[in-house]
Amino acid sequence: DGGITQSPKYLFRKEGQNVTLSCEQNLNHDAMYWYRQDPGQGLRLIYYSQIVNDFQKGDIAEGYSVSREKKESFPLTVTSAQKNPTAFYLCASSTQTGVGGYTFGSGTRLTVV
Amino acid sequence: AQSVTQLGSHVSVSEGALVLLRCNYSSSVPPYLFWYVQYPNQGLQLLLKYTSAATLVKGINGFEAEFKKSETSFHLTKPSAHMSDAAEYFCAVSDRGGSEKLVFGKGTKLTVNP
Repeated sequence: DGGITQSPKYLFRKEGQNVTLSCEQNLNHDAMYWYRQDPGQGLRLIYYSQIVNDFQKGDIAEGYSVSREKKESFPLTVTSAQKNPTAFYLCASSTQTGVGGYTFGSGTRLTVV
Repeated sequence: AQSVTQLGSHVSVSEGALVLLRCNYSSSVPPYLFWYVQYPNQGLQLLLKYTSAATLVKGINGFEAEFKKSETSFHLTKPSAHMSDAAEYFCAVSDRGGSEKLVFGKGTKLTVNP
C-alpha cells in the first residue's frame, strides 16, 4: 500500500548537534511538506516543495534546512541554530491540485537532551 | 488570505452524546475544506473533505460535516460519541484551484466521558 514513512519515530539530540529526519513517500505525489507541532499551537509549516529540486520556506524556517533531490524523499535537517527543537515533526504529501488533501506520515518526536 | 478558526480548544462529551466541533473559515474564493483526526503520537488522518459536490459530506467513523457558505462554516458532527473518538481534530482550508497549501486551525481536543 502507498503511504508516507517517517523515521525515526523518536530522536534525541544533544545541544549543538544537527539531526536529519527522514520522509519517504511512494504515492507519486509532487508536493511534500514539513510541519512542526507543539502543544496548543496546532501545525506550523516549516518548508514545502512542489517539485523536485525546488522548495520554499514556510512560516518557521529559521534553524531548519531541507533538500528535494528525488520525488520520493524530502529530508529535514534540524540545525544547531534552532534553539528550541523539541517538538513533534510531521511530514505530508499531496498532488499538485491538492483536491485530495494531504497524506501524513506518523511523525518523529525530537527531544533535546 | 485564508484562515481557519476552531471554536473551543477542548470539548468534552459523554459517550452516546452528540459531537459538535466548530470550524469557521475565511477564503477569498470557494474553498476546499477538510477535517483531520489525530490520535496521540500519530500523524493526521483525513476524516472527510468538501470539494464542491454535495454540501453535506460524510466521512469515516460516522462523522459528517456541512458546508454553509452563508455562515462560512464547516462544522463536524457525529450523532453518538464513542470512547474511541477521543482525539484531536483539525479543520483545514485551501484555495480552490490556487495554492495547494492547506491552512490548519489550531485543533480541538475531544474528550469522551463514560
